[in-house]
Parts: sequence; structure tokens; C-alpha cells
Amino acid sequence: AQSVTQLGSHVSVSEGALVLLRCNYSSSVPPYLFWYVQYPNQGLQLLLKYTSAATLVKGINGFEAEFKKSETSFHLTKPSAHMSDAAEYFCAVSDQNTNAGKSTFGDGTTLTVKP
Amino acid sequence: DAMVIQNPRYQVTQFGKPVTLSCSQTLNHNVMYWYQQKSSQAPKLLFHYYDKDFNNEADTPDNFQSRRPNTSFCFLDIRSPGLGDAAMYLCATSRVSQGAGGYTFGSGTRLTVV
Repeated sequence: AQSVTQLGSHVSVSEGALVLLRCNYSSSVPPYLFWYVQYPNQGLQLLLKYTSAATLVKGINGFEAEFKKSETSFHLTKPSAHMSDAAEYFCAVSDQNTNAGKSTFGDGTTLTVKP
Repeated sequence: DAMVIQNPRYQVTQFGKPVTLSCSQTLNHNVMYWYQQKSSQAPKLLFHYYDKDFNNEADTPDNFQSRRPNTSFCFLDIRSPGLGDAAMYLCATSRVSQGAGGYTFGSGTRLTVV
């Protein structure tokens, strides 16, 4: 079985500050890991993905994440927050052997950006 | 642009009245998923189609059914909606041969039950 835990259901940062959203995973086989963003009343949009190539993954909108096997983590970061980054962020995991690439999502982290 | 389209964006239905939500895709992905997302919660997988093969999650209520008449379209049928079925319903697609590709989501249908 696979799962992800997102630490902190709400994160608030000031505009221009570092964004750090935490995700820890549990998987019995090498995982694929994803971060998605969801704006109000919208579907989820893929930000970035880890697929066992480079451990530091760069995504859209200036976000990046680092896969750390020893810590079973895949935290999402952005050096400087913009107001437009305010949204819900979901970490997801699927294993490389799973049927049909099914992903399991974390409970999400709401990012608030203060002016 | 290739995409996943859900119709309608907002659906209001009466308690107990059958409702169908629609999803279409131009990506030619072989897997289509239906997720239910309640307020401030993670998306919950209801079922998925791997090509024509239907795969139901163990805890998906019998009230929820799905049809995939062809590669491009997938429907979610709720036979007798209850108040607890009010949620955002998300359709997603993936190409299983590229399982690491992640999902492409539609914009969702927000269902209200009155």
C-alpha cells in the first residue's frame, strides 16, 4: 500500500518569502511522486513529477521539489512567493508497478500569501 | 489544445433524481478516472477505466456507476443522489504506458443536491 502525508493543512507566507510545503510518502516499491495545484472551483493541475531520474525536479511557475529517499520526503519549494500562488496543493504517489497508474493523494495544503 | 472537458461545470439535482456527469478527452489516453472531492478534502477515487476494462474501488457505493462508450468519453451516473453526494466530481486521464506522466484533470463538475 502507498500513502502520502502532507504536514500542515494550512501554510501562510508573505509575498516574496520562501514557500515550503511538506510531503512524506510511504511505498513498498520505488514510487512516482507528483505535486498538483488546485485553484478554487477548478480541477487539479500537475506542477511537477519525480520519476526516478533526477532527484531535484523543476516544475511550472517556479516550483521545484527534491526527492529524498532516506527521509521518504518530496517537499515542494519556491524561493519567492507570489500572490497568484495562493491555492490548494496536493502531493500524490503511485508505484511503478501499480495497475493503470493509480495515484493516492494527500489531504492537501492550503497556501495563503499575504501582501 | 488537447484537453479534458467536463460538462456541466455546475449541476443542481433533486434528491433521488438520477444525474449524469460527462467527461471527454482529446488526449487519446487509455485510462480515465472519476474522483469525488468534498470540501477541503483529498480527491477520492471512485473508479477507473483501463481501456474498456472497468475497475471499481471497493468502497465506492453502488449508487455510482460509470460508462465509457469509446476512448474519448466517460460518464458518471448517480442513480439516486443523496445530500451526502454533493461534491466536486473530477475526471482525469493518463496514458498507462507513461505511468509516470501523472494525470490530466478536467475542470470538474460541482454537484449540488437539493
